[in-house]
Amino acid sequence: EDKVVQSPLSLVVHEGDTVTLNCSYEVTNFRSLLWYKQEKKAPTFLFMLTSSGIEKKSGRLSSILDKKELSSILNITATQTGDSAIYLCAARNSNSGYALNFGKGTSLLVTP
Amino acid sequence: DAGVTQSPTHLIKTRGQQVTLRCSPKSGHDTVSWYQQALGQGPQFIFQYYEEEERQRGNFPDRFSGHQFPNYSSELNVNALLLGDSALYLCASSLMPRRSGYTFGSGTRLTVV
Repeated sequence: EDKVVQSPLSLVVHEGDTVTLNCSYEVTNFRSLLWYKQEKKAPTFLFMLTSSGIEKKSGRLSSILDKKELSSILNITATQTGDSAIYLCAARNSNSGYALNFGKGTSLLVTP
Repeated sequence: DAGVTQSPTHLIKTRGQQVTLRCSPKSGHDTVSWYQQALGQGPQFIFQYYEEEERQRGNFPDRFSGHQFPNYSSELNVNALLLGDSALYLCASSLMPRRSGYTFGSGTRLTVV
C-alpha cells in the first residue's frame, strides 16, 4: 500500500528562521510529488516534482526530490508570520490516475 | 477567473441522514475530484469525475456517490451518515490531461451529530 509520511508533524519557529520540512514516500510506479500550503481550508499548490524535474524554487520556498532516498524536502528561508500554515505533501503513482496520496501534513507556526 | 466554488461552507446533519455537497470547478477545468479531510489528517481521495463518469475511486464505501453535470460541476452525496463522516470535504478541479497541480476549493465542513 502506498504511503506518504511527513515530519515533523508540527514546528514552531521565530520570524527570520529557515525551516526544512520532510516528506518520505513509498509509492509503486512513482510519478510525481506535490507540495501544498493549507491555510484555514483550501490547499494551494506550491510545487510539483517529477523524475525529470527534481528541484523547484519560488521566492523564499524551494523543494528538492531525492529519488534514491524516496524523499523530498521543502525549505522556507527568512520565514514570515504569513508562512504559518499546514504544509501537505502528496504523491502520485502511474496506476493511481489523478488521485493524490497525501501525508498528514506539517503544521508550521512562525512567531514574531 | 473564478476559482473552485463549493457549497455550502458549513453543514450540520444527524446520524442516518443524507447530504449533498456541491462543487463548481475553476473556469476551463473539466475534471473534478473529491477528498475527505478529517481533523489532523491529510486529505483522502474519494473519487474523480471526468466526462460525467466516475473514473477512479478511493477506498470509500458505496454510501459515498457522486455525479458530474454537462457544465462540469459536481455533487458528492453521502447516505446513512455516521459520526465518522464528520470532516472537511474538499473539491479539486483540473484539466485533462493534467499539466500542473490541482486547484482546490475551500471545502465544506460537515458535522454529523
